[in-house]
Amino acid sequence: AQTVTQSQPEMSVQEAETVTLSCTYDTSENNYYLFWYKQPPSRQMILVIRQEAYKQQNATENRFSVNFQKAAKSFSLKISDSQLGDTAMYFCAFMRYTGTASKLTFGTGTRLQVTL
Amino acid sequence: NAGVMQNPRHLVRRRGQEARLRCSPMKGHSHVYWYRQLPEEGLKFMVYLQKENIIDESGMPKERFSAEFPKEGPSILRIQQVVRGDSAAYFCASSRSGPHSGNTIYFGEGSWLTVV
Repeated sequence: AQTVTQSQPEMSVQEAETVTLSCTYDTSENNYYLFWYKQPPSRQMILVIRQEAYKQQNATENRFSVNFQKAAKSFSLKISDSQLGDTAMYFCAFMRYTGTASKLTFGTGTRLQVTL
Repeated sequence: NAGVMQNPRHLVRRRGQEARLRCSPMKGHSHVYWYRQLPEEGLKFMVYLQKENIIDESGMPKERFSAEFPKEGPSILRIQQVVRGDSAAYFCASSRSGPHSGNTIYFGEGSWLTVV
């Protein structure tokens, strides 16, 4: 079974600064996907970024980027130029590659507070 | 992800009553997932369905919970004889079928069940 660990329950960053959220995972699979989801106070789950394990290049989406270290089973999220709207719970998630869709395994989340 | 429609958004039930939560996947998606989020916790997988078939129900409690995704109409998560511990947010998600889908899972806005 896969496990996902987020070791930072809470983090705080000042507006316009950069913050990195940590995520590690444990799996015996070689092909899989990794995701970061954001859950703002509205509680909606919003996809932030995804990474395919077979790709060496780190995924980037505007101000969001990941540092994917496959050998270390690490998948951190970097948020640049933080904005107040980035305040949310951030969940790291793992999905096996099965050729079709499969279930997500989530970490316990990191609560990020962006301050003025 | 706003394309995954869940209703009701909020539901209050007395202990012993039944709760029915509905989910219409995004257009073109034939895979549906249900996740549960207890207060201050991450999402936990419950069940994965395709049209008329349950693919993986490893996260479903053995009793009182059932799910279906009929040929026509929304997917339904049914909780019989609800207890206070069932109070949670229930998220539905969907994904496109096939190996070229990208395997990204999109979430609805959740249904909040409160058992009094």
